[in-house]
Amino acid sequence: SQELEQSPQSLIVQEGKNLTINCTSSKTLYGLYWYKQKYGEGLIFLMMLQKGGEEKSHEKITAKLDEKKQQSSLHITASQPSHAGIYLCGADVHRDDKIIFGKGTRLHILP
Amino acid sequence: GAVVSQHPSRVICKSGTSVKIECRSLDFQATTMFWYRQFPKQSLMLMATSNEGSKATYEQGVEKDKFLINHASLTLSTLTVTSAHPEDSSFYICSARASSGGTDTQYFGPGTRLTVL
Repeated sequence: SQELEQSPQSLIVQEGKNLTINCTSSKTLYGLYWYKQKYGEGLIFLMMLQKGGEEKSHEKITAKLDEKKQQSSLHITASQPSHAGIYLCGADVHRDDKIIFGKGTRLHILP
Repeated sequence: GAVVSQHPSRVICKSGTSVKIECRSLDFQATTMFWYRQFPKQSLMLMATSNEGSKATYEQGVEKDKFLINHASLTLSTLTVTSAHPEDSSFYICSARASSGGTDTQYFGPGTRLTVL
């Protein structure tokens, strides 16, 4: 079974609209990472969250980790074409520094 | 932010040959590097953990004799795919762990696309 579930799998959003991507686990997340990937390319580090209730923002992207450290959300405000890509959440689930990834969310931005 | 490079970015080889992929941390030292594999439209799967100066730790189902990992220095880890076959064709990505202010962050390389003919 997938230890990290991402939803939705795919998302099509009109430019300028807000959107949210979720990452959920049944286990405690000891380090939660959000990455962006253009298909077939490397990963771009967005943010890392470690503490329950933590929230970080970078430009128009905000990520939160819930108090129980089992769910994280990535919120994009006023989406732009440059936001299109695959968003991956990764987490250290077993507390061994190994990151396990979700299946990713494909984001398409309509002009 | 920290930079991790991979070389080559793309490689095409014949079945049965070996291919070496390098992963370098350019502006920090990494005692631990990780190797991932990603098949088309699938998530990244951890293959192995590379520790400087010691043997790599492989995930279940990954053949250590086929995927040789050498972490010779604090800035370089190599993955050698031995006797490559078409089913080894994939996107290989490495990451390096950087420590700063008591926090560890993993930075990923740009990836290497391997095509085995």
